[in-house]
Amino acid sequence: KNEVEQSPQNLTAQEGEFITINCSYSVGISALHWLQQHPGGGIVSLFMLSSGKKKHGRLIATINIQEKHSSLHITASHPRDSAVYICAVRALISNFGNEKLTFGTGTRLTIIP
Amino acid sequence: NAGVTQTPKFRILKIGQSMTLQCTQDMNHNYMYWYRQDPGMGLKLIYYSVGAGITDKGEVPNGYNVSRSTTEDFPLRLELAAPSQTSVYFCASSLGRTSGYNEQFFGPGTRLTVL
Repeated sequence: KNEVEQSPQNLTAQEGEFITINCSYSVGISALHWLQQHPGGGIVSLFMLSSGKKKHGRLIATINIQEKHSSLHITASHPRDSAVYICAVRALISNFGNEKLTFGTGTRLTIIP
Repeated sequence: NAGVTQTPKFRILKIGQSMTLQCTQDMNHNYMYWYRQDPGMGLKLIYYSVGAGITDKGEVPNGYNVSRSTTEDFPLRLELAAPSQTSVYFCASSLGRTSGYNEQFFGPGTRLTVL
């Protein structure tokens, strides 16, 4: 079982729909990241959160530390939101305090006009 | 600022050849990372560095080497290319492990094919 599981793997929706992408993880973490990978391959960071909820424009990310679960929501979805959305969790990898990200396999979102 | 830059964007290698993937960042970040992304898989950490002169292995270091002689540069070396190293390689950097914040900035990627 992967340490980070995302669902769904693929999601197709009509423009304007409310989108939810889920991420579950099995390890103790210090933070969770949501990333967006564009069709051309570039990766950008959307959110980093360790508790509660964050909002940026039409994007909302929530995390429940007790349930080891996070969701990414997109309101009023648009074709330009079409991308792969990746969840990654940050955890310690050494006794010296170094941390690493463990990535989910991503959710491919397609928004149809 | 250019952010994180990688060269080349694409490369085809023959089995047994060697090459260096270049990565440079101009944000004065301490931490730098190399990942590979295989189809249907999450990004995997190859090597990382917490500062000039300090590197350490990630999850999948076999077949690769790195060096960090300056804060800006973090090249990844493939000595004997194998088909299993066909992948997309991403370099990333972050300011450091300051409390509560460690956003990673990614380069555009290098698509490598080994035939």
